[in-house]
Amino acid sequence: ETGVTQTPRHLVMGMTNKKSLKCEQHLGHNAMYWYKQSAKKPLELMFVYSLEERVENNSVPSRFSPECPNSSHLFLHLHTLQPEDSALYLCASSQDSSFGNTIYFGEGSWLTVV
Amino acid sequence: AQTVTQSQPEMSVQEAETVTLSCTYDTSESDYYLFWYKQPPSRQMILVIRQEAYKQQNATENRFSVNFQKAAKSFSLKISDSQLGDAAMYFCAYRTQGGSEKLVFGKGTKLTVNP
Repeated sequence: ETGVTQTPRHLVMGMTNKKSLKCEQHLGHNAMYWYKQSAKKPLELMFVYSLEERVENNSVPSRFSPECPNSSHLFLHLHTLQPEDSALYLCASSQDSSFGNTIYFGEGSWLTVV
Repeated sequence: AQTVTQSQPEMSVQEAETVTLSCTYDTSESDYYLFWYKQPPSRQMILVIRQEAYKQQNATENRFSVNFQKAAKSFSLKISDSQLGDAAMYFCAYRTQGGSEKLVFGKGTKLTVNP
C-alpha cells in the first residue's frame, strides 16, 4: 500500500474506443504526475499537475487528455489510441512539484491497444 | 539535456552476498537530487534511497547504501546481505530544479538473487 492507487490495473481497448485511467492519492500531496513505461525505454513523463493546474505537458499527443478535478484525483482520458500506445501507465504524486520532494508511485495500469 | 545511464542491463547475486549497481548521469547543474527506485514484478515503483547533491555524506538505508561521486557524476547502489525479495528492476533517477523539474530515469538494471 503506497497511498497512490490506480484503476483499472489492466485495460484492453480497441483503437476506436474511449476509456479513462483513474488515479487517487491518499498522501495529502499537491502534485500529481502521469508517466509512461514502455518496454526497453526509460520512464517518460507525460503530464504534471500542481494544485490542480497543469504545469507540464511533455509533447504528448492529443489522444491522451489528462484531468485533475482536485489535488487527490487524476485521470487520463484515452481516445483513438494506436497499438504503440500499449504500455504501463504510472501515476505518481509528491508534496509539491519542487525538485526536492520525493515522488511516490502507484502500481500502474497496463494498457493494451488492439 | 540531462541523461541517466545504467550500463548494466542485468546483474545477479547470491543470497546474502553484496552487489553494486552502477549509474552515471550527465548534468550542468550543481544542485539536484538522485534516487534509486526498485520495481518488483508487481510493477510498483518503490523508493529505495535518495541523495542530495550538496551533501557529501553518502546516504544509507539499512542494507542499501550509495557511493556518490559528484565530480565523476556517478551514483552507484550497494545492496548488502542480498535477500530474495531484493530481486527486481532497479532504476536510477535524477531531478533538478528549473524548467520542468521532472524526474529523469535510466533504463534500469534487472537484479536476480540466486538462493
